[in-house]
Amino acid sequence: GNSVTQMEGPVTLSEEAFLTINCTYTATGYPSLFWYVQYPGEGLQLLLKATKADDKGSNKGFEATYRKETTSFHLEKGSVQVSDSAVYFCALSDQKNSGNTPLVFGKGTRLSVIA
Amino acid sequence: GAVVSQHPSRVICKSGTSVKIECRSLDFQATTMFWYRQFPKQSLMLMATSNEGSKATYEQGVEKDKFLINHASLTLSTLTVTSAHPEDSSFYICSAGTGVGYEQYFGPGTRLTVT
Repeated sequence: GNSVTQMEGPVTLSEEAFLTINCTYTATGYPSLFWYVQYPGEGLQLLLKATKADDKGSNKGFEATYRKETTSFHLEKGSVQVSDSAVYFCALSDQKNSGNTPLVFGKGTRLSVIA
Repeated sequence: GAVVSQHPSRVICKSGTSVKIECRSLDFQATTMFWYRQFPKQSLMLMATSNEGSKATYEQGVEKDKFLINHASLTLSTLTVTSAHPEDSSFYICSAGTGVGYEQYFGPGTRLTVT
């Protein structure tokens, strides 16, 4: 079956530090990959996505590249801010039209950025 | 962007009672809604897929007679936990898709505590 493994947190960084959150996946098909972010007290929000190999998703300074050869979709940001403190979820969908397809999530990684 | 609300955000109930959780799409029509359950430090696990006007599809291991799902309109799905027990205590999250494109929109979640 499909599964997502992401690094466990919590991750604590100083402001302007470089961030990497590792995510690897197992899928029977050719999945679409996502990163969702959950700020305190709010619902999950789509941060970025990639739908085919070598695609790079990017948003708000965050990036992730769909690597089929290593089945990975690591999240990176060059310089984190305090406002980036949240829980980050890696997820996949094995259907192209994933708005109507359930997602498979990793366990989530809590990021705390200190000034 | 599209907004999904959940009500209540927190509920405490006694063992043996039933609890209803509402999931509403506030500014779009949701042809499909999903109900997830999240244990502490665990992934979001899909419980069921709810389609407007038809019976929900439950994941393996989820008791459909215990977790009643009704999707009576394009903007409202409800999850009723019947005869709740302490092991049902968890964080319940809904999401909704519009039927077009990739994105799912998540509610903020409902924390259920059964005493």
